[in-house]
Amino acid sequence: EAQVTQNPRYLITVTGKKLTVTCSQNMNHEYMSWYRQDPGLGLRQIYYSMNVEVTDKGDVPEGYKVSRKEKRNFPLILESPSPNQTSLYFCASGKGGGETQYFGPGTRLLVL
Amino acid sequence: GQQVMQIPQYQHVQEGEDFTTYCNSSTTLSNIQWYKQRPGGHPVFLIQLVKSGEVKKQKRLTFQFGEAKKNSSLHITATQTTDVGTYFCAGGGTYKYIFGTGTRLKVLA
Repeated sequence: EAQVTQNPRYLITVTGKKLTVTCSQNMNHEYMSWYRQDPGLGLRQIYYSMNVEVTDKGDVPEGYKVSRKEKRNFPLILESPSPNQTSLYFCASGKGGGETQYFGPGTRLLVL
Repeated sequence: GQQVMQIPQYQHVQEGEDFTTYCNSSTTLSNIQWYKQRPGGHPVFLIQLVKSGEVKKQKRLTFQFGEAKKNSSLHITATQTTDVGTYFCAGGGTYKYIFGTGTRLKVLA
């Protein structure tokens, strides 16, 4: 089944404790992206990747890191999480070039 | 920076009534995508519009892209309870997307 998976689905952590949210897709997509969703603000793009080893900032990249060492994986790293990073995070993949994006199920993060 | 505004923020309709959400960009868009997110779910792609003045239909849903490629609309005819959710537009370039704030639709049976 074609899908985008994210782990963990739920995470509670404390300020400053490094964490990684994994994202994997099995559709051989070149494009992958991370979004955060907050009430009243819609979805905001954090980082995106056009292909392996090629990443770029979205609208809200501060406090996040990404890497794209393999085509199927695009982890999101929070080196020192803060409470304002409490949010619902979505990973997405697609063919790129403005084509359809397929979203993962989301990761709900609470930073205390 | 580029902004995409979406109105209304909320809409409650009686089942069978029509519904429209509007999307306006501060800059010209190369394309626009529409997504639906059910409560507790993830965004699901509905359609992409690319050409100026383009109109596309999917059963009871009609999507329009403005002539100036700065606005778009989604119209649902005769809403059903299955239409409940939040509808987002996303102004796209090739890789960077700006999402609207979404319109949450509630359908009263």
